[in-house]
Amino acid sequence: GESVGLHLPTLSVQEGDNSIINCAYSNSASDYFIWYKQESGKGPQFIIDIRSNMDKRQGQRVTVLLNKTVKHLSLQIAATQPGDSAVYFCAENLNDYKLSFGAGTTVTVRA
Amino acid sequence: ETGVTQSPTHLIKTRGQQVTLRCSSQSGHNTVSWYQQALGQGPQFIFQYYREEENGRGNFPPRFSGLQFPNYSSELNVNALELDDSALYLCASRSGLGETQYFGPGTRLLVL
Repeated sequence: GESVGLHLPTLSVQEGDNSIINCAYSNSASDYFIWYKQESGKGPQFIIDIRSNMDKRQGQRVTVLLNKTVKHLSLQIAATQPGDSAVYFCAENLNDYKLSFGAGTTVTVRA
Repeated sequence: ETGVTQSPTHLIKTRGQQVTLRCSSQSGHNTVSWYQQALGQGPQFIFQYYREEENGRGNFPPRFSGLQFPNYSSELNVNALELDDSALYLCASRSGLGETQYFGPGTRLLVL
C-alpha cells in the first residue's frame, strides 16, 4: 500500500548545528504534508505544513522542502537546541480526512 | 498547548472489557479524528467525525466505534478489549476539512 516513510530512524546532532530530517512518500495524489514533533509522553505537536503547489516554506528556525518529482519531503531545523530532542513525524493528508504517518525519526541533541 | 483535551490520561483494563475515551476539541473546531499509536510507531488513523457524522474510517474492526456531540466533543469506544489494543489513543481536531489537525495529549490504555 501507499505510505509515508522516513529515511532514518535516529539522528544525533550537535547543539547549534543544523538538522535535516528526510521523508519519502509514495502517493502522488497527496496535496498536503505536515511535520509534527512528539516529545515523550505528549501528543504530536504541529511544526509546519506545506501544500503541493509550493516547493519550500519557512517558519521560525524550521524550513520544509517538497520535491514532488522524487516524492521527497525534508525538515530543516536551524541551530538545533536541546529542546528540539524529540520524535519527528511527517504526515501525508489522504482523501481529505486521514493523515498517514511514517514511523518517525528520533532526534537527539548532544551538548 | 493546542486546546484539545483528553480524558482520562491513563487507563488499565483487562481483556474482554469495554472502554470509553473522551476528547474535547479546540474551540471553533468541528472535525475530530482519532488515532491509535502503538509504542515506537507512528499514529494510525481510526476514524473521523465531521458535524456529528463519521465520514472516514481506517483499517480498524467494528468494535472500535465513536460519537460526536453537538458541541463537537467526541468519544471513542472499544469493546471486547484485546491485549494488542494497548496503545496511546490520540484525538485531533481541526476547523474544517482540509485544515491542519491539532492533537491532544492522548490517553494511554493498557490492557492486561
